[in-house]
Amino acid sequence: AQSVSQHNHHVILSEAASLELGCNYSYGGTVNLFWYVQYPGQHLQLLLKYFSGDPLVKGIKGFEAEFIKSKFSFNLRKPSVQWSDTAEYFCAVNAPSGTYKYIFGTGTRLKVLA
Amino acid sequence: DTAVSQTPKYLVTQMGNDKSIKCEQNLGHDTMYWYKQDSKKFLKIMFSYNNKELIINETVPNRFSPKSPDKAHLNLHINSLELGDSAVYFCASSSDGSSGSFDEQFFGPGTRLTVL
Repeated sequence: AQSVSQHNHHVILSEAASLELGCNYSYGGTVNLFWYVQYPGQHLQLLLKYFSGDPLVKGIKGFEAEFIKSKFSFNLRKPSVQWSDTAEYFCAVNAPSGTYKYIFGTGTRLKVLA
Repeated sequence: DTAVSQTPKYLVTQMGNDKSIKCEQNLGHDTMYWYKQDSKKFLKIMFSYNNKELIINETVPNRFSPKSPDKAHLNLHINSLELGDSAVYFCASSSDGSSGSFDEQFFGPGTRLTVL
């Protein structure tokens, strides 16, 4: 069965620090990968996605993610976080040749200190 | 213009009652979803419809019944509400999921359900 792991449940950083959030999935076939962000009290919105091509994907607000197929990973990065990046971050996986499911990770709560 | 809208935004009710949450999307998407987000922010898919046809039906109590009158609407009806149903329910939509490949999901603002 597909699963998505986000190992960092809570992350606290100071402004200007670099960020890397881990995401690992367990499916051997082709996958579509996503990172979503949920700001406090708001709905989820897409940060970036990977379907195919260049494994380094750039998203909105300076975020990027790298797909490493051999490691089944899709880690999210940002070189310099801001206070406004305080939010919950979710990795999600869709396996087109598997089930129809769209699986979300358990989320990582990021708090950025001003 | 709101892409995915849900009503109501807040719902407070007593145990045992029946309630409905409505969802509408104006993005022209073929696939719609219901998710439940618990107090720990864990997001779990409940149902998905593609062109009014149920394609995902997770292990959800029979008290939960989705209805899709057309591909722009996906409503969620909950019978005999229990304390454990308290959560935030998100509706979402995406472009074609009939082949198993789903694109970006657009989420509604959520409905916070509190069962007393």
